[in-house]
Amino acid sequence: EVQLVESGGGLVQPGGSLRLSCSSSSFTFSKDWMHWVRQAPGAGLVWVARITGDGSRRNYADSVKGRFTISRDNAKNTLYLQMDSLRAEDTAVYYCVKDAYYAMDVWGKGTTVTVSS
Amino acid sequence: QSALTQPRSVSGSPGQSITISCTGASSDVGSFDHVSWYQQHPGKAPKLMIYDVTKRPSGVPDRFSGSKSGNTASLTISGLQAGDEADYYCCSWAGSNTWVFGGGTKMTVL
Repeated sequence: EVQLVESGGGLVQPGGSLRLSCSSSSFTFSKDWMHWVRQAPGAGLVWVARITGDGSRRNYADSVKGRFTISRDNAKNTLYLQMDSLRAEDTAVYYCVKDAYYAMDVWGKGTTVTVSS
Repeated sequence: QSALTQPRSVSGSPGQSITISCTGASSDVGSFDHVSWYQQHPGKAPKLMIYDVTKRPSGVPDRFSGSKSGNTASLTISGLQAGDEADYYCCSWAGSNTWVFGGGTKMTVL
C-alpha cells in the first residue's frame, strides 16, 4: 500500500515563503499524477494543484496561481509545493494526494502551515 | 472554480438510510462522470469512498452508493452505523485539469 508523508509545514510571516515536501513509497511514483489539497481550520477541502507523472504539466487553483509552484523529483520519489507571497488565508493543513484517474485515492496525514505575524 | 453545494448537515438513526446531495454546474458535475466522494473523521485524512459517480474502491462497503442526475450528484449510505459518523465531501473534475470540492456535510448518527 502506498504511503505519503508530508513535511515542511510551520509558522511563517505574511509575504514569506515555505516549501512543502511529500515522500512517496510508491514503486510507480514516476507514473503517478499527484495533487496538493488544503483544508483551513474548521473548513472544507480545497484543491490546490496537480502535476503529471513526468512533471511536464502542472495546473493550479486560481487562488494560488502565480504564487505556488508544484514540482517533483522522481529520482527521490518526492513531491514539492513551493509557496511564495503567503497570505493569512493560506493557513491550512496541506495534504499530498495520489491521483487515481480523476479521483484521489491515497492521502498523506497532512502538514500544517500557519501564516501569521 | 466555485465550490460545489452540499447541505451543511444530515442525520439518521442506526440502520436507516441517508442521502447527501452535491450540486454543481453544467461545467463540472453536469458535464463529466468524474464525481468522487470522501469520508473524513475528525483529525484524520480524507478517505476515498466513491469515484466516477458510482464506483467503489476495494474495501468500501456496498452500503455506500453514488448516483448523478443533471448537475447534482448524490451519496447514499444505507444501514447506517455509528462508525459512519463523519464529514463527507464531494469532488468533481471541472475540466481544464482542475478539480472542485463541495463545502462538506457533517453526517450525524443519532
